[in-house]
Amino acid sequence: GAVVSQHPSRVICKSGTSVKIECRSLDFQATTMFWYRQFPKQSLMLMATSNEGSKATYEQGVEKDKFLINHASLTLSTLTVTSAHPEDSSFYICSARDRGAGGNYGYTFGSGTRLTVV
Amino acid sequence: DQQVKQNSPSLSVQEGRISILNCDYTNSMFDYFLWYKKYPAEGPTFLISISSIKDKNEDGRFTVFLNKSAKHLSLHIVPSQPGDSAVYFCAASALRYGGSQGNLIFGKGTKLSVKP
Repeated sequence: GAVVSQHPSRVICKSGTSVKIECRSLDFQATTMFWYRQFPKQSLMLMATSNEGSKATYEQGVEKDKFLINHASLTLSTLTVTSAHPEDSSFYICSARDRGAGGNYGYTFGSGTRLTVV
Repeated sequence: DQQVKQNSPSLSVQEGRISILNCDYTNSMFDYFLWYKKYPAEGPTFLISISSIKDKNEDGRFTVFLNKSAKHLSLHIVPSQPGDSAVYFCAASALRYGGSQGNLIFGKGTKLSVKP
């Protein structure tokens, strides 16, 4: 089945530095990629949606200059947290969607990245 | 305003019994509903889905029921096993109306504990 590789799985960085998270669809072309953030004991909150070759669409309240999303190819999307602060510490998950008509409607999730900013 | 609601943050069930996880939604445009199982520090794992044109979908021990008039769906797990212990998320999408993007809207999740 479809596989989405996300890494790093865990990263600790110093406040003020930038961190890049990669999301790759391994055996399919992702027409759309989604980036979610999950706070402890909370839901997965959609941050942004990106289509290959175009600018990402950010959800209300998400700073586009802080969370840079690049979807340069049909198999790779990156999320860069710029000038990270402790409040950016969270669990970030990507999802890639192909045109699949399977039971999951083409949505496949990565394994997530635990970001800790110290 | 939450469009997808899972009002029970936790549920405890004895092994072998039925687990029923509930989900309510407010957006009548949603036409696809998915259930995911999630462990801490891992991505969601797809379990089962249902289209709005159906009222029931079954896959092994998992059955999802959809009541469109009540805007309510439920996931039944029977028999429940200790390995089912995890957080279960309900998600919805308006694929037909959302164009090619069709992002998923998630509930807050229900933590299921199945006791041996």
